[in-house]
Amino acid sequence: SQQGEEDPQALSIQEGENATMNCSYKTSINNLQWYRQNSGRGLVHLILIRSNEREKHSGRLRVTLDTSKKSSSLLITASRAADTASYFCATAINQGGKLIFGQGTELSVKP
Amino acid sequence: GAVVSQHPSRVICKSGTSVKIECRSLDFQATTMFWYRQFPKQSLMLMATSNEGSKATYEQGVEKDKFLINHASLTLSTLTVTSAHPEDSSFYICSARVTSGGRYEQFFGPGTRLTVL
Repeated sequence: SQQGEEDPQALSIQEGENATMNCSYKTSINNLQWYRQNSGRGLVHLILIRSNEREKHSGRLRVTLDTSKKSSSLLITASRAADTASYFCATAINQGGKLIFGQGTELSVKP
Repeated sequence: GAVVSQHPSRVICKSGTSVKIECRSLDFQATTMFWYRQFPKQSLMLMATSNEGSKATYEQGVEKDKFLINHASLTLSTLTVTSAHPEDSSFYICSARVTSGGRYEQFFGPGTRLTVL
């Protein structure tokens, strides 16, 4: 069963703008991860945030986690056309356990 | 980083035939691998957890007799779609779990696109 709900389902922005995607989940988690998928391709791991962390940065990516609201957000700053892809959040109830994916956000960055 | 491969990358078969998909961890050993299915424009749905040397654990609603999983070695898990039908057409993705510094990470394969005619 799906754990996460993501919004928006689709997001279209201009190059240089920031993109924010949100993810909500239902149960307690050990960690939450964000992945990127180019059309018809495999997944690329972007960032992992643990349940005791509130914010994490990696390059142009910023992830927040609010366990009280059971939600996370992924911010991509200064977006580029190459950022065009689908972005998924995935939650793990246990460390190393199975991942339950959200519905995903399809991001389109126009040059 | 750890590399996971899948073979074949795409396969087209006739309805009623069986198709085997391989998932290999190329530079590490994985006692646990996961199999996911993704329909067009949808998210990944976990099908089963594959454990080396023991039976796979299937998610609710996934038919174990239709999707046979064999994890016979620490670097290979196979998914066989038996008596495939058009509704089984999908993108099948595996991941392999590795332990690093006391922490777990999952690495995903590139996926296998199955088309059943």
